[in-house]
Amino acid sequence: QAVVTQEPSLTVSPGGTVTLTCGSSIGAVTSGHYPYWFQQKPGQAPRTLIYDTDNTHSWTPARFSGSLLGGKAALTLWGAQPEDEANYYCMLSYSGARRVFGGGTKLTVL
Amino acid sequence: EVQLVESGGGSVKPGGSLRLSCVASGFSFNDAWMSWVRQAPGKGLEWVGRVKSKTDAGTTDYAAPVQGRFTISRDDRKKTLSLQMNSLVTEDTAIYYCVTEQHWLAWGQGTLVTVSS
Repeated sequence: QAVVTQEPSLTVSPGGTVTLTCGSSIGAVTSGHYPYWFQQKPGQAPRTLIYDTDNTHSWTPARFSGSLLGGKAALTLWGAQPEDEANYYCMLSYSGARRVFGGGTKLTVL
Repeated sequence: EVQLVESGGGSVKPGGSLRLSCVASGFSFNDAWMSWVRQAPGKGLEWVGRVKSKTDAGTTDYAAPVQGRFTISRDDRKKTLSLQMNSLVTEDTAIYYCVTEQHWLAWGQGTLVTVSS
């Protein structure tokens, strides 16, 4: 079973830029893994920010973008706001069937 | 508005069973692939399994920890997704979310399952 890896924690200054990454234990992440990114705040259900590598939902703030970077999926936050402090999870699909979540990144805006 | 509402959570002893339901509205449920995702207290998200739409044969896939113990089913007429959980163990304690796989655009609010003696 593949393991999906994320940074356990990151800190960004208000107004700053940060990139979260999502790697796969069995090779490079490609668009064929259909990377997803989710945001979860304490006490709330997750919400989907990015689907299929770089597509956004209508509610996704424009300061979030998804990409592939150096064999990993990446979520970049430009101009961080205090309300962006949350846990972020990526998810990859393997063989079109099973989904695997990363362990999550706790993002602090400080 | 797309909405998913889970129910059926509660406390159960190890070895017991529980059935969760998720009622959908605001989208074409019969065309949607649907997943269950769980989150143990203080932990990350874990994919549980998925059922495809009937037009895609309605097949199911499960994560290894629940394979053979959990069964996902759907009733398109009632727009309801179900998760039958058998042979529960303490590690199954979690909030269980249903999610529509159409760009994962909607999550339910979750229902808590506690497995404890």
